[in-house]
Amino acid sequence: GQNIDQPTEMTATEGAIVQINCTYQTSGFNGLFWYQQHAGEAPTFLSYNVLDGLEEKGRFSSFLSRSKGYSYLLLKELQMKDSASYLCAVRDGSARQLTFGSGTQLTVLP
Amino acid sequence: DVKVTQSSRYLVKRTGEKVFLECVQDMDHENMFWYRQDPGLGLRLIYFSYDVKMKEKGDIPEGYSVSREKKERFSLILESASTNQTSMYLCASSLLDRDPFFGQGTRLTVV
Repeated sequence: GQNIDQPTEMTATEGAIVQINCTYQTSGFNGLFWYQQHAGEAPTFLSYNVLDGLEEKGRFSSFLSRSKGYSYLLLKELQMKDSASYLCAVRDGSARQLTFGSGTQLTVLP
Repeated sequence: DVKVTQSSRYLVKRTGEKVFLECVQDMDHENMFWYRQDPGLGLRLIYFSYDVKMKEKGDIPEGYSVSREKKERFSLILESASTNQTSMYLCASSLLDRDPFFGQGTRLTVV
């Protein structure tokens, strides 16, 4: 089975940097995804890591350590529109099933 | 643009009714998924399909069934709706090893 943990809520200030952590225990591993979901909308893809290290995409970066079962999403130069839920998801060994964590609700304050 | 379309945004059904939630994707994706999303519980996988007529149970299949007769369409069926199935239902599709695209969701209320 899969077990994915991430903080329930975080708060940060506009212009700041925030790091959202995700730890996982899975039966097999075939990649980790981060999604963003605004209230009432569908989740949208942010990043994908399958090898250890940092993937950078504009203001967003994602890091993976497979040996530690750990990932983080780093958001820089926070904007009000970044207020959303951030979902960590792990694909299992078969590469078919994607299991999501409960999500981290990020609130960006002015 | 990839499009995953769910037939209804909002649905109200009575306890005991048979309910069909339809999902269509237009990108020839092999994989299709049905999730439900509840506050504090995140997205939980109900069923997924990696080919026509193929299906596999996810984490919470009880009370649900699915149908995939054509590659582009994946239906979720609630045989006898109950109030604890009131939830947001999200359909997604993906190529074999790529990130899933999600539909807009169907908010189902069972009264």
